[in-house]
Amino acid sequence: GAGVSQTPSNKVTEKGKYVELRCDPISGHTALYWYRQSLGQGPEFLIYFQGTGAADDSGLPNDRFFAVRPEGSVSTLKIQRTERGDSAVYLCASSPDSGTAYGYTFGSGTRLTVV
Amino acid sequence: AQRVTQPEKLLSVFKGAPVELKCNYSYSGSPELFWYVQYSRQRLQLLLRHISRESIKGFTADLNKGETSFHLKKPFAQEEDSAMYYCALWGGGSNYKLTFGKGTLLTVNP
Repeated sequence: GAGVSQTPSNKVTEKGKYVELRCDPISGHTALYWYRQSLGQGPEFLIYFQGTGAADDSGLPNDRFFAVRPEGSVSTLKIQRTERGDSAVYLCASSPDSGTAYGYTFGSGTRLTVV
Repeated sequence: AQRVTQPEKLLSVFKGAPVELKCNYSYSGSPELFWYVQYSRQRLQLLLRHISRESIKGFTADLNKGETSFHLKKPFAQEEDSAMYYCALWGGGSNYKLTFGKGTLLTVNP
């Protein structure tokens, strides 16, 4: 596709439920990043993939959060036992080369609301 | 640890006035600094980065290593500049993540 696509654009879920957020990066981009943006904050790093492997998952807040990228393209961010504090906009970005932060292209984000 | 500080949450100016959005950073190495912009209902996009030393949409930013600052400037603000602006830092090496400031909402009034 022409840009980074994230689905759904909005997700409302009940506390305790499981959610999956999808990111479809720009074709050919090997690096993929997930960020979380809470209200009034800048985006905060969650996890970085180079190809299929998670090269850096140091930003994941706890073990309820998990992400995969099985074929080196589409990635899914999974959140178990959601809590109200997980409410945020989840941003995905991809870039053609992990050796620089230049070339990041962000998606429009998924707004997650936990009620 | 790396940190980016944008001291102003809100900044309001009149059209044609100069604007400066402040950004300070802390990082022990030689970072790469960026400004990102998010217009209303649009996705986050790169405005400029310090390495290229370019002017985009009339905006410039100079990296001042002595003051650890990377302020964004424009001599004559336009109404279409109204947006959320984020300063971001990349530490280089094997650290590929961007560290963002909290952002400054710029409003340019007619």
